[in-house]
Amino acid sequence: KAGVTQTPRYLIKTRGQQVTLSCSPISGHRSVSWYQQTPGQGLQFLFEYFSETQRNKGNFPGRFSGRQFSNSRSEMNVSTLELGDSALYLCASTLNSRETQYFGPGTRLLVL
Amino acid sequence: AQKVTQAQTEISVVEKEDVTLDCVYETRDTTYYLFWYKQPPSGELVFLIRRNSFDEQNEISGRYSWNFQKSTSSFNFTITASQVVDSAVYFCAAKAAGNKLTFGGGTRVLVKP
Repeated sequence: KAGVTQTPRYLIKTRGQQVTLSCSPISGHRSVSWYQQTPGQGLQFLFEYFSETQRNKGNFPGRFSGRQFSNSRSEMNVSTLELGDSALYLCASTLNSRETQYFGPGTRLLVL
Repeated sequence: AQKVTQAQTEISVVEKEDVTLDCVYETRDTTYYLFWYKQPPSGELVFLIRRNSFDEQNEISGRYSWNFQKSTSSFNFTITASQVVDSAVYFCAAKAAGNKLTFGGGTRVLVKP
């Protein structure tokens, strides 16, 4: 089975712009979670989607949003980018909430 | 909600030495799941092991072993006979069903040849 894929792998944006990141889960997995990793804050949970519904949300401002499509692929969007949004964004997929999360390679976002 | 603490920020060993990574967790849930992930320089989090709260049996898988002690809320991980390829950041994580996966701060392991 193919693993979790994320596109793009690298991204450079400027402050004020918006960005959309994509995640394709492992085939058959219906849950997708997003995490932000920075040197200062570590790995922080953004949100989780299951069957196109947001099931959990972390403590991030409304500039961070996401959605999930009927094929379980998920996108996250960050509007009005700030320098502090520079991070590695990781996506993980799982069968259900009791199962192990498997991570993609991440998208490295640099905001200038 | 869970909290995970990895007190060791960095460990440096010489190849073939054993490495033990400490993890202490806090949770109010009676059923929860504990994980160890490895993050090499490429950035991808690689799943290593998982333990359910209702199963305290400790196991060995190749060069990896873990010690789950519910009484002390610890879930320690050992790499036996370390290799240079084991150099990475290791994360301990905890989760209850329906809740988010909570990570510790990570422990950087440097294995020198």
